[in-house]
Amino acid sequence: NAGVTQTPKFQVLKTGQSMTLQCAQDMNHNSMYWYRQDPGMGLRLIYYSASEGTTDKGEVPNGYNVSRLNKREFSLRLESAAPSQTSVYFCASSDKGWDTGELFFGEGSRLTVL
Amino acid sequence: RKEVEQDPGPFNVPEGATVAFNCTYSNSASQSFFWYRQDCRKEPKLLMSVYSSGNEDGRFTAQLNRASQYISLLIRDSKLSDSATYLCVVILNSGGYQKVTFGTGTKLQVIP
Repeated sequence: NAGVTQTPKFQVLKTGQSMTLQCAQDMNHNSMYWYRQDPGMGLRLIYYSASEGTTDKGEVPNGYNVSRLNKREFSLRLESAAPSQTSVYFCASSDKGWDTGELFFGEGSRLTVL
Repeated sequence: RKEVEQDPGPFNVPEGATVAFNCTYSNSASQSFFWYRQDCRKEPKLLMSVYSSGNEDGRFTAQLNRASQYISLLIRDSKLSDSATYLCVVILNSGGYQKVTFGTGTKLQVIP
């Protein structure tokens, strides 16, 4: 099984450009998440979707938008990229949220904003 | 004080050694705790849950100390393949809201 698939894996943007990170899971999970990971800061939640049709802000939502397209897909959009958004982005999914503690992460998308 | 703190390391230990990491948390009402493992330039993966009664999985033992507000991970008989960064996760449920905080990770390097 593929699990959680993210695209693209690498991207370089110029300040002000827009882009969408795509995420798809094939585990029939209800919940999906977008995290960013920066050195010395741990993973921080950007947005999450507890179920198809719902999305909620996480800890650091500014500058991002999300779309839960269907149960499988959850995309993250940067409308006007800023250097502060240079990071590694991880999509994750889970069946029962954090009740079991197990989130399945994608391989990450490394974004550089110049 | 950070909500969740970990010693970043790196911890450099020889094969076969026993190594322990701690993770402290600031909110005494935190309810759930986990350890994740992250290999270099890879995604995090759940290693194990942490309970007050302790949780053992082969060479790995996780423990929660609520009185002192820390969780620990003990790795016995270290293998080269244990080299990774270990992330603690602390969960606080408050008023229907679930706050999940990742530690910044402790890097372990097992040396031949």
